[in-house]
Amino acid sequence: DSGVTQTPKHLITATGQRVTLRCSPRSGDLSVYWYQQSLDQGLQFLIQYYNGEERAKGNILERFSAQQFPDLHSELNLSSLELGDSALYFCASSVEGNPPPLHFGNGTRLTVT
Amino acid sequence: GNSVTQMEGPVTLSEEAFLTINCTYTATGYPSLFWYVQYPGEGLQLLLKATKADDKGSNKGFEATYRKETTSFHLEKGSVQVSDSAVYFCALLYSSASKIIFGSGTRLSIRP
Repeated sequence: DSGVTQTPKHLITATGQRVTLRCSPRSGDLSVYWYQQSLDQGLQFLIQYYNGEERAKGNILERFSAQQFPDLHSELNLSSLELGDSALYFCASSVEGNPPPLHFGNGTRLTVT
Repeated sequence: GNSVTQMEGPVTLSEEAFLTINCTYTATGYPSLFWYVQYPGEGLQLLLKATKADDKGSNKGFEATYRKETTSFHLEKGSVQVSDSAVYFCALLYSSASKIIFGSGTRLSIRP
């Protein structure tokens, strides 16, 4: 058990909808990272937050946004969903602004129909 | 830019076979290198790491040596088990950045 909790485990929704994925980092970890894992793109870094502030941005679409709250949990918001957004979304956390090691949650599997 | 290239899978081996999964990287400076493993239905777990040239990371019988001259970090294991079946990711962290860059992953299947 990595100590990182992601909810929900599975999400099925329709195109055009909006969803929110939630992540609770490991106790004591200040950094949260979001990754998207799809079959054809591998593991893509989306965004990182450190203690509530955005620290780094990767291949995150404008339709996606994230935030980290004062209690350090984070939410990833995906809007105007498209079929191609179907993927596994992983959250990871680490102690400081720089990893490692990253501690990964078990992911949220998003299916857009 | 910084990138990681690892051998495409799937790789299928018999139990007790020798394993090599190749990984090469492109980076300026001196990145830290990692291997992560993803078991079915789970998130990634750090398997081993090396932070400077000629360092050898090892864990659970797996080893990888940071080779600066060949920009490689190949994963090896002398005798694989069925329980090693998973997806393996090579990754690098460039010190001035705050994100880890992952390779595309190599799926390993071990036959009993």
